[in-house]
Amino acid sequence: SQQGEEDPQALSIQEGENATMNCSYKTSINNLQWYRQNSGRGLVHLILIRSNEREKHSGRLRVTLDTSKKSSSLLITASRAADTASYFCATRRQAGTALIFGKGTTLSVSS
Amino acid sequence: EAGVAQSPRYKIIEKRQSVAFWCNPISGHATLYWYQQILGQGPKLLIQFQNNGVVDDSQLPKDRFSAERLKGVDSTLKIQPAKLEDSAVYLCASSLVGTLNEKLFFGSGTQLSVL
Repeated sequence: SQQGEEDPQALSIQEGENATMNCSYKTSINNLQWYRQNSGRGLVHLILIRSNEREKHSGRLRVTLDTSKKSSSLLITASRAADTASYFCATRRQAGTALIFGKGTTLSVSS
Repeated sequence: EAGVAQSPRYKIIEKRQSVAFWCNPISGHATLYWYQQILGQGPKLLIQFQNNGVVDDSQLPKDRFSAERLKGVDSTLKIQPAKLEDSAVYLCASSLVGTLNEKLFFGSGTQLSVL
């Protein structure tokens, strides 16, 4: 079963604009991870945020986590055409279990 | 460091035929996962191995799917007989030991089309 739900399902922006995608989840978590998937490829880990963190940065990525609302957001600043991909949030209920992925947001960045 | 290797890259079969996928995880990674990704959806876990033991196969359709990880390294996933709804990308992933904060490393996947 899907644990996370990303919103929006699809997003189209111009190069240089910021892209924001959201993830809502159902059960309590220890951490939340974001992955990127380019067309026809496997998923690549982007960033992990722990439940005791509210915000985390990595290059042009900014992730926030609101455990009271069971939601997270991923912001990509100054988007580039190479950012065109699908983005997934994923959570793990407890140690030793597999990551459960949401349905993803498909981002299209045009030049 | 070499990544997760999967083969074949693409496979087209007719329904009721059998098919097998192979995965070689990153060297030293004890935990191996097979995920099924249907077009437009997120990956769905099929089975998780810790070394050569099964940790979770609760979502594996055991009447037609089987998987093994002999010697705790390579793994194969088999479908027999295949159905139309099995058309998907089959992703293999690995992680070091499967702890709470670990990230997963994915292969490029095998795209299966069942006609």
